Amino acid sequence: GAGVSQTPSNKVTEKGKYVELRCDPISGHTALYWYRQSLGQGPEFLIYFQGTGAADDSGLPNDRFFAVRPEGSVSTLKIQRTERGDSAVYLCASSADIGETQYFGPGTRLLVL
Amino acid sequence: AQSVTQLGSHVSVSEGALVLLRCNYSSSVPPYLFWYVQYPNQGLQLLLKYTTGATLVKGINGFEAEFKKSETSFHLTKPSAHMSDAAEYFCAAHGDPITGTASKLTFGTGTRLQVTL
Repeated sequence: GAGVSQTPSNKVTEKGKYVELRCDPISGHTALYWYRQSLGQGPEFLIYFQGTGAADDSGLPNDRFFAVRPEGSVSTLKIQRTERGDSAVYLCASSADIGETQYFGPGTRLLVL
Repeated sequence: AQSVTQLGSHVSVSEGALVLLRCNYSSSVPPYLFWYVQYPNQGLQLLLKYTTGATLVKGINGFEAEFKKSETSFHLTKPSAHMSDAAEYFCAAHGDPITGTASKLTFGTGTRLQVTL
């Protein structure tokens, strides 16, 4: 079956602009996670959803970041007033349930100029 | 808080040589442990995981890892390196689902494996 997909694969934007990153999880997976990977670092947790609700958003760096999952499947990570420091690879993962193996998408590489 | 340490940001081995990538965790309660591999411009692929039970875990592509509670370690090994093993390797951990701490993976900073002829 299809794995986790993310769009776009690359996004270049200007400082101050708004961006949306999309994640399509594995069909039937109830848990969805967002991570951010900066150059030379391991992924860092941002937020996770169980169904439609954000169960833990403790990793979001500030209120410019938020994410939604309105129907319990596709999720969108939204970044307002982008800053150069937001440049990173944003990874999405899904799992059948909390505590099950997380399967990762290919990521969206965001570059803020 | 959970932390994961990977010793050695870069490891270079000859083709056919033993691969050893080190990972230590910091947790008062043994976590669930994972090794992921990342090829250039690709997402993370699960190599193997330890949850409970047998401490020697076998994964894909000939890799295995041993959970050692006394050393708080989960080192990754492969008896004979292949050129195709060249990639970035990440050790990760999360808590036991029963305790409600399994929602997020904590990753190490990664080890880049180079395989030379």
